[in-house]
Amino acid sequence: AQKITQTQPGMFVQEKEAVTLDCTYDTSDPSYGLFWYKQPSSGEMIFLIYQGSYDQQNATEGRYSLNFQKARKSANLVISASQLGDSAMYFCAMRPNFGNEKLTFGTGTRLTIIP
Amino acid sequence: DAMVIQNPRYQVTQFGKPVTLSCSQTLNHNVMYWYQQKSSQAPKLLFHYYDKDFNNEADTPDNFQSRRPNTSFCFLDIRSPGLGDAAMYLCATSRESTGGRVQPQHFGDGTRLSIL
Repeated sequence: AQKITQTQPGMFVQEKEAVTLDCTYDTSDPSYGLFWYKQPSSGEMIFLIYQGSYDQQNATEGRYSLNFQKARKSANLVISASQLGDSAMYFCAMRPNFGNEKLTFGTGTRLTIIP
Repeated sequence: DAMVIQNPRYQVTQFGKPVTLSCSQTLNHNVMYWYQQKSSQAPKLLFHYYDKDFNNEADTPDNFQSRRPNTSFCFLDIRSPGLGDAAMYLCATSRESTGGRVQPQHFGDGTRLSIL
């Protein structure tokens, strides 16, 4: 079984500052993928970034980067130069590479960007 | 270009009156999922289709059914909606995960269901 823990229920960040959203996970699967999704108040779930458990380098997608520390089982999302449009709920999720296709979500972090 | 399309965006139904939510995809993904998401909570998987194979989560109520007539379409049927079924319903698709890369799930915009 997999478990995702997001310990920050809410965060407030000044516009243009960088922000780190924490995510730790637990799994017995040797191969897995980690994902971050953004959910604005309108409800759609937007895929942001992916990190494979065997990837040597940390994933980056534009202003998003994933600080992956496998030994510590953490996969923190870093958003650089935050914008007002970044205000949303952010979910960390994971999925094993083989077999069960189920995506396990954390409880989410509500990020608010302050002008 | 919308790739996972859910209709309608908002649905209102009466207590006990059957309702169907629809999802279509242009991605040709073989796996489709239905999630229920209540306010301020993470999405909860109800069931998924791996091609035509239906996989029900153990705690999904019998009130919830699903149909997948072809690769592109998937439906969620709620036979007798109760007040507790008011939620956002999210459809997602993905390729099966093969090799070294786990495939992401791509979500539609969701259908927000209200029960009167």
